[in-house]
Amino acid sequence: QVKLLQSGAALVKPGASVKMSCKASGYTFTDYWVSWVKQSHGKSLEWIGEIYPNSGATNFNEKFKGKATLTVDKSTSTAYMELSRLTSEDSAIYYCTPGVGWFAYWGQGTLVTVSS
Amino acid sequence: DIQMTQSPHSLSASLGETVSIECLASEGISNYLAWYQQKPGKSPQLLIYYASSLQDGVPSRFSGSGSGTQYSLKISNMQPEDEGVYYCQQGYKYPFTFGSGTKLEIK
Repeated sequence: QVKLLQSGAALVKPGASVKMSCKASGYTFTDYWVSWVKQSHGKSLEWIGEIYPNSGATNFNEKFKGKATLTVDKSTSTAYMELSRLTSEDSAIYYCTPGVGWFAYWGQGTLVTVSS
Repeated sequence: DIQMTQSPHSLSASLGETVSIECLASEGISNYLAWYQQKPGKSPQLLIYYASSLQDGVPSRFSGSGSGTQYSLKISNMQPEDEGVYYCQQGYKYPFTFGSGTKLEIK
């Protein structure tokens, strides 16, 4: 079955960067775009962007351009997202989810807390 | 960006009741509309895709309908496990966008 295992929670200082991972199994990793979705505490969901593992092609929400960098390691079926120049506004749970248009499978989420 | 306006913000329903949640897109999305349920501390779960297709494993008391800019999710015969927050999402145009959510509780 499809599984997405995300890296653990991170506590990071303002201005720093954080890189999180999403290890996929149970499907052909290179066949599906992998999206990343942000959920601030008690709030709705925001689509950050997506990466196509086979080519590395990406599409981004303009809001997150310059904030998020998406990469993959095809050899380990792992997708990564790095967030830079962190502020308190970046404190949130971040989910990875493969799919095209809608998302049937989700990782468990990575909680990022930005605090000095 | 396409704005997704969900209503109501919250509602409570009795067991066995039928409830509906509405989602209005700021422009036509050609049925590229999905519904999710999220429970506290959990990841969202896909219920409906392409406006009316039931995701595998989702109980048939969930149904979706709509076209153009107006869509709805209906939950028939409300069950205790249906409590949660429901989101709509358009997959028609980048950036994909979600509604603000509807919190559904048991009365």
